[in-house]
Amino acid sequence: GAGVSQSPSNKVTEKGKDVELRCDPISGHTALYWYRQSLGQGLEFLIYFQGNSAPDKSGLPSDRFSAERTGGSVSTLTIQRTQQEDSAVYLCASSLDDGSPLHFGNGTRLTVT
Amino acid sequence: GENVEQHPSTLSVQEGDSAVIKCTYSDSASNYFPWYKQELGKGPQLIIDIRSNVGEKKDQRIAVTLNKTAKHFSLHITETQPEDSAVYFCAGTGRRALTFGSGTRLQVQP
Repeated sequence: GAGVSQSPSNKVTEKGKDVELRCDPISGHTALYWYRQSLGQGLEFLIYFQGNSAPDKSGLPSDRFSAERTGGSVSTLTIQRTQQEDSAVYLCASSLDDGSPLHFGNGTRLTVT
Repeated sequence: GENVEQHPSTLSVQEGDSAVIKCTYSDSASNYFPWYKQELGKGPQLIIDIRSNVGEKKDQRIAVTLNKTAKHFSLHITETQPEDSAVYFCAGTGRRALTFGSGTRLQVQP
């Protein structure tokens, strides 16, 4: 596809379980971002990957959150020991390079019960 | 780091009227200011952006103005239509990732 693809689109999990969210960026885009959007709220920055540089993890809310980007393409956001406050829409975006417009996927809606 | 404030949080206009959404930013080094439109169940979509070397940019019914001295920028939508109803976000460059405003829910009444 031409856009950013995220899977799954919806995920319901029990408190304490681990979850993995996947993002396929636009081909050729070197920058990849993860944001979190709580119900009716703005976008909270989580983590940013640019090429081979060390990722900017300054937005990760706790050490239960981690992300990888393999081969400069697909990224996985992992949340360990999920809590109810982790319930939100997790949005991934990619851009051609640092400073170019961001293109967002449609997000993964995570519900922790 | 960058802090972006956006207002109003909700805005209701009659079809055909204009809508204005305003944002302020804190980091004087910020140089890129995009606006995104988010429809229900979808990710934000870029509608217009402006860089700090210009004061205004227009694309059909949408325009953005930037006042670097006052550190604020605005989105103007003219001749609003029901399909303009959505949540709009402004953003500014932070250290390396965009910092977003809290969003404005625009409702265009037919």
